[in-house]
Formats: sequence, C-alpha cells, structure tokens
Amino acid sequence: EVQLVESGGGLVKPGGSLRLSCEATGISFSSSTMHWVRQAPGKGLEWVSSISGAGSYIYYADSLKGRFTVSRDNAKNSLYLELNSLRAEDTAVYYCAKLLCSSTSCLYDYWGQGTLVTVSS
Amino acid sequence: IQLTQSPSFLSASVGDRVTITCRASQGINSYLAWYQQKPGKAPKVLIYGASTLQRGVPSRFSGSESATEFTLTISGLQPEDYATYYCQQLNSYPFTFGPGTTVDIK
Repeated sequence: EVQLVESGGGLVKPGGSLRLSCEATGISFSSSTMHWVRQAPGKGLEWVSSISGAGSYIYYADSLKGRFTVSRDNAKNSLYLELNSLRAEDTAVYYCAKLLCSSTSCLYDYWGQGTLVTVSS
Repeated sequence: IQLTQSPSFLSASVGDRVTITCRASQGINSYLAWYQQKPGKAPKVLIYGASTLQRGVPSRFSGSESATEFTLTISGLQPEDYATYYCQQLNSYPFTFGPGTTVDIK
C-alpha cells in the first residue's frame, strides 16, 4: 500500500522557520519526482515546489522568493520542505504529492494527508 | 501559465449533467489534470492527459479539450460528487492550478 505521511507542521511566529517532512512507503521513492502543494484555509490549491528523484532538478513557485527550500533523503524515503521567514500568508495545509508522467501526460497519483502550518503571533 | 475556471460555483441536482471549463493562457499539449477535493481531504485525480480517466474513477466523469479550453463533464451527478474541482497544468514549471469550481446541492 502506498502511503505519503507528512509531519512537522504547527504554530510558528512570523519570521520563524519550520521543517516539514513527508515519508513515503510502498513506492520506488528514489525514482519518483515529488512535489509540495499548499492550501490556505478556505482557498484553492497552490503549487509550491518540486524535486526530481535524484534531487538534480528543483523548481519553486515564483511567489516564494527564495524563502523555501526543498530537499530529499532517498535512503530514508523522505522529502523535506524548509520554510523560512514565515508570513501570515504562508498559513496553509501543506501536501506532498508523487508525480507520475508518461510520454503524453502527467498527474499526481498519490497525495499525503497534509500538515497544517499556522503562522501567527 | 495561467488557468481560469468557470463557473466558480454551481448548484445542481442529482442526475444533472454538469460541465466545468478550464482555460489555459497558452498551449499546454494536453498536460492537464482534473482533481476532486472534498472538505478536509487531499485532492484525488479524476482525469489526466486532458481526457484519460484515472483507474477506479466512475465513467460518468469525462474530459475533453479544444485548443486551450478543457472541459470536465459529470454525466449524471451523484450525491458523492458534491465537491470542489480543480484543473492543473503539468506542461511546464511552475505547475499551476485553476481557482476551483465548487459543486453544491440544489
């Protein structure tokens, strides 16, 4: 059974930092491109970042302006997202998702349950 | 690449045919997926490659495309279909989502 389990969310003050984790089981993690997607309370989905299987290719949403850093440890089947200089607008549920691509299409075939980050003083 | 969805909200009855449209600001080579999300849950993929039904998804869901306009159709709305639907382009980074369409009970 495939499972993606996020952890590390919580309450943090503006300007603070947090490290989110996503542990994967049941997939070939080292060959999987992994993504982070977030959703502010009552709002839509927002793509955040992606990292290729070997970590060679990394992309971020323009709006993050270098505050977030994605990484992975394939030996631990784990994906990470380091959140720095946090703002109230970063309050959201953060999901990790596995990307599946063929020659003609891509999709997120598995999602985690999400971890809530609340930025408030 | 920007995605717009219409309508943002619709009210429909069980058994209705429902159509949601997603427009891309430029060509995305059919790299479009549709997701369904229910409150408090992670999204679930319904359609990928603009028109391919994900395994396990009921056949009342279908997708189509015409240039940069994409359509999700639910043929015969069921009670479990009341949810929010998002399109997503996966053609080029940064991947983007549409703003969502909420389908509510009439």
